[in-house]
Amino acid sequence: GQNIDQPTEMTATEGAIVQINCTYQTSGFNGLFWYQQHAGEAPTFLSYNVLDGLEEKGRFSSFLSRSKGYSYLLLKELQMKDSASYLCAVRENTGGFKTIFGAGTRLFVKA
Amino acid sequence: EAEVAQSPRYKITEKSQAVAFWCDPISGHATLYWYRQILGQGPELLVQFQDESVVDDSQLPKDRFSAERLKGVDSTLKIQPAELGDSAMYLCASNVLALLSGANVLTFGAGSRLTVL
Repeated sequence: GQNIDQPTEMTATEGAIVQINCTYQTSGFNGLFWYQQHAGEAPTFLSYNVLDGLEEKGRFSSFLSRSKGYSYLLLKELQMKDSASYLCAVRENTGGFKTIFGAGTRLFVKA
Repeated sequence: EAEVAQSPRYKITEKSQAVAFWCDPISGHATLYWYRQILGQGPELLVQFQDESVVDDSQLPKDRFSAERLKGVDSTLKIQPAELGDSAMYLCASNVLALLSGANVLTFGAGSRLTVL
């Protein structure tokens, strides 16, 4: 079966760096995604990893280790608008493609 | 910009009533997903369509939920009768190629928030 774990909540200070970890167990791994979701809104795509290593996109970076079933999302130069939930999601191919989401990590950015 | 349209945005109903949600995915996209997101949890896949055919409805509570996509374009998700535990955000999504990453990613509509009293 599928299992995705990430911390429930994190708090960080404006201008700082925060790392949100995600561990997963799945069959037919076909990519790991991070989505951002502001309160009351739909999730929006942030990053994608399918090979091991670091993907950097502006202030956001995402890392994947397939052998360890581990990923992290790194947010630099935190801004107040980064306060949101961050969802780790795994796409698996078990005869068809399916994206499974973790429960999300609520990030609070304080001044 | 192409987007997924959903209605209604908000729905309040009493338990045992029927409720329906509508989704119009991004034009020309064959795959359509319905997810349910309970407050404080991640989205859970309810049903996946490829054109008018159901590809995966293993997590759909079929005793009370139904979904259809008759012409392979827009889709309707129905709940009858609604229960208190059905209070959630119902999200519809298309699969879209993200040019910078080269990945097919889920693009969600704004969602339909259901409150069952």
